[in-house]
Amino acid sequence: SQQGEEDPQALSIQEGENATMNCSYKTSINNLQWYRQNSGRGLVHLILIRSNEREKHSGRLRVTLDTSKKSSSLLITASRAADTASYFCATEGDSNYQLIWGAGTKLIIKP
Amino acid sequence: DGGITQSPKYLFRKEGQNVTLSCEQNLNHDAMYWYRQDPGQGLRLIYYSQIVNDFQKGDIAEGYSVSREKKESFPLTVTSAQKNPTAFYLCASRAGIWDEQYFGPGTRLTVT
Repeated sequence: SQQGEEDPQALSIQEGENATMNCSYKTSINNLQWYRQNSGRGLVHLILIRSNEREKHSGRLRVTLDTSKKSSSLLITASRAADTASYFCATEGDSNYQLIWGAGTKLIIKP
Repeated sequence: DGGITQSPKYLFRKEGQNVTLSCEQNLNHDAMYWYRQDPGQGLRLIYYSQIVNDFQKGDIAEGYSVSREKKESFPLTVTSAQKNPTAFYLCASRAGIWDEQYFGPGTRLTVT
């Protein structure tokens, strides 16, 4: 069952611009996680934000969480060609011990 | 190096044959997961194991089987009962509940 829905499905921007991706979910969560996947590869964990947190930063990444709206956003600042990848959000509840995945946003950074 | 390995990277099989995908981790993680990914889609959970000698079905377990005899290993068998086995298969592990997951590089299975 898919809970997270990423928006947009695809995003193409110029190198140096900021990229924003959104994730909406349906049920209450313990945490929300963002992952990156380069084409044909495994996923790499980016940031985990817990339900009692509103914002987290990691380098050029900023994640926000609004539990009242059941939504999260991932901002990548000063994008680089190497940021070209698919980005997935995944949520985890308090009792099911599984990640529920969205379909992802495909990000293309044009040089 | 610590991490998760999956082998082989590419696997080709004829319809009607069972095939086993390998997943090994040296991260000392208790929990391990198998996911299936189809083109342009997110991950769907096949099976997961939170401890040795125990595993649970995920959302799409039909046609698959697993074992967890050792902490380090969680092999997945795709049986001939799986109707559409061609896909990208990802193995993951994590230290505990509510932690991030670490992924292997994946195995692309093609069944003709």
